[in-house]
Amino acid sequence: AAGVIQSPRHLIKEKRETATLKCYPIPRHDTVYWYQQGPGQDPQFLISFYEKMQSDKGSIPDRFSAQQFSDYHSELNMSSLELGDSALYFCASSTDAAESGYTFGSGTRLTVV
Amino acid sequence: GQNIDQPTEMTATEGAIVQINCTYQTSGFNGLFWYQQHAGEAPTFLSYNVLDGLEEKGRFSSFLSRSKGYSYLLLKELQMKDSASYLCAVRDTGGFKTIFGAGTRLFVKA
Repeated sequence: AAGVIQSPRHLIKEKRETATLKCYPIPRHDTVYWYQQGPGQDPQFLISFYEKMQSDKGSIPDRFSAQQFSDYHSELNMSSLELGDSALYFCASSTDAAESGYTFGSGTRLTVV
Repeated sequence: GQNIDQPTEMTATEGAIVQINCTYQTSGFNGLFWYQQHAGEAPTFLSYNVLDGLEEKGRFSSFLSRSKGYSYLLLKELQMKDSASYLCAVRDTGGFKTIFGAGTRLFVKA
């Protein structure tokens, strides 16, 4: 079965650089979520999209932005990177059926040096 | 505010039963989830409760009491591969945001 695809798997950037993370949800999943997980931390909700419109916003810094495109893939754009942005970034998708939970991608590990 | 509490770590023996508790205080409630996460990997969905009571799924069961803001995940016949973090998560009203607890790291020993 198709899963949530994230790219790249690993990314190394220098401080003040920009990064773009991509997410391809499961076909027919209408909602995409972005989470940030630091080492030993719980996943922190950043932002979500429902049918290509932003549906909810969490602790996403102003330096970050995201969008969902017509083909339902989503991109998380991160600018002026800081050392503290180093984390695993997960994308997840779901349907309207709450009982199915989220399906997470394998994540992008971002290291800022 | 949003607050989800779980024990930080638990240790149990292979073949035994373990119960991981979760208490929550959230502004909205539209269901409670349990996820399993192995180190460096993505969380995987285990269970969902929206009504009070017990949901059983193989070796795993999850219980919810909405009036008490309480849930537990019960793992039976523990296996070494069950060593992982178990995340309790509450879905907000409206359904677009799920708040995760810090997770309980379970160690299964032989």
